Amino acid sequence: SQTIHQWPATLVQPVGSPLSLECTVEGTSNPNLYWYRQAAGRGLQLLFYSVGIGQISSEVPQNLSASRPQDRQFILSSKKLLLSDSGFYLCAWSVSPGDQPQHFGDGTRLSIL
Amino acid sequence: SQQGEEDPQALSIQEGENATMNCSYKTSINNLQWYRQNSGRGLVHLILIRSNEREKHSGRLRVTLDTSKKSSSLLITASRAADTASYFCATVYNFNKFYFGSGTKLNVKP
Repeated sequence: SQTIHQWPATLVQPVGSPLSLECTVEGTSNPNLYWYRQAAGRGLQLLFYSVGIGQISSEVPQNLSASRPQDRQFILSSKKLLLSDSGFYLCAWSVSPGDQPQHFGDGTRLSIL
Repeated sequence: SQQGEEDPQALSIQEGENATMNCSYKTSINNLQWYRQNSGRGLVHLILIRSNEREKHSGRLRVTLDTSKKSSSLLITASRAADTASYFCATVYNFNKFYFGSGTKLNVKP
């Protein structure tokens, strides 16, 4: 069966520090991969999605970047965090094409001090 | 914006009652999906309805889709306290892009 791992679960970082969040999927090949951010009490904002290795689409101009170095690995990064980067970050995968459900990780709660 | 918008933002009902949530969107979609989120957790897929479908059922869930009105509704029948969660609709475009609304927070009182 397929599983998705996302870590760390919580993270507290100072303003201006770098960020690296990792997401890996097991049990499937060539998944579509997604990064979302959720502000407290709000909906999900699509940040990046990828349909294959090295193929990244950015939805919102921001302080973040994403990479897909391997088929089932998706990384969210920042060189210098801003206070506004605080939030709940969720990784998800789906079968390509997207006529199927998305499957979510348990998320990373990021607090910027 | 291509995001769906849920209505109401919050809903409080007694156990055993039905809960209805609505989702509206603005442009043509491939499909529409409903998800549930328990506090502080990832989202869990509930049901998917394709653009050429009008109604789907799954257990106590019933989803309708009206593409002419660009709207969908999720009905949870005979609600239980365990149904307390936030519910989100996701509209899917180009078969790869998912856009989530801001959700309906459902509270089912025992």
